[in-house]
Amino acid sequence: DTGVSQDPRHKITKRGQNVTFRCDPISEHNRLYWYRQTLGQGPEFLTYFQNEAQLEKSRLLSDRFSAERPKGSFSTLEIQRTEQGDSAMYLCASSPDREDIQYFGAGTRLSVL
Amino acid sequence: AQSVSQHNHHVILSEAASLELGCNYSYGGTVNLFWYVQYPGQHLQLLLKYFSGDPLVKGIKGFEAEFIKSKFSFNLRKPSVQWSDTAEYFCAVRGGDSWGKFQFGAGTQVVVTP
Repeated sequence: DTGVSQDPRHKITKRGQNVTFRCDPISEHNRLYWYRQTLGQGPEFLTYFQNEAQLEKSRLLSDRFSAERPKGSFSTLEIQRTEQGDSAMYLCASSPDREDIQYFGAGTRLSVL
Repeated sequence: AQSVSQHNHHVILSEAASLELGCNYSYGGTVNLFWYVQYPGQHLQLLLKYFSGDPLVKGIKGFEAEFIKSKFSFNLRKPSVQWSDTAEYFCAVRGGDSWGKFQFGAGTQVVVTP
């Protein structure tokens, strides 16, 4: 068990470009979460999957953000037409059904220039 | 709106001092409560949790937390800190009108000086 893996670790992009991040959860963890964290703040919930079903999405998430988990294993988070305000650390966490504990990845740090 | 508040953003204390970090939430109904810690250069990891039962819960590394339902609080304590406790501490809540999401507080940066 290698833990939750996120790729890439760092991403620098120009404003207006699209970016996609990947998260590989711990195997057999059915739940997967995406968060965004900015400096001086705690993780902010973005969305939650139970297997392949996206069960909840933050109202704060604009239409430029989309997440998928097509086979109930890895997940991708895409940001279209990036803005400077999207610069943040994007965290992924997974959790088994029987245990209400999240295991976090190292995150992807996005910088939008 | 549901919220999670941590009282201090930065705490500096000496080794062997006692630590208490405050956390209040504004959820109604049943909640699950957590404290997560992030050591420098490491992932967020669970320190302790409360779901039900004894309101005083013990976690790793000598930390404990007390759930006081009437005060909507879940304060974290450690009687005697070590330099290695330097980290950022986050309170988190799950429940209320949405069991799908966890809500985190803004975090408290704790620095322990030798």
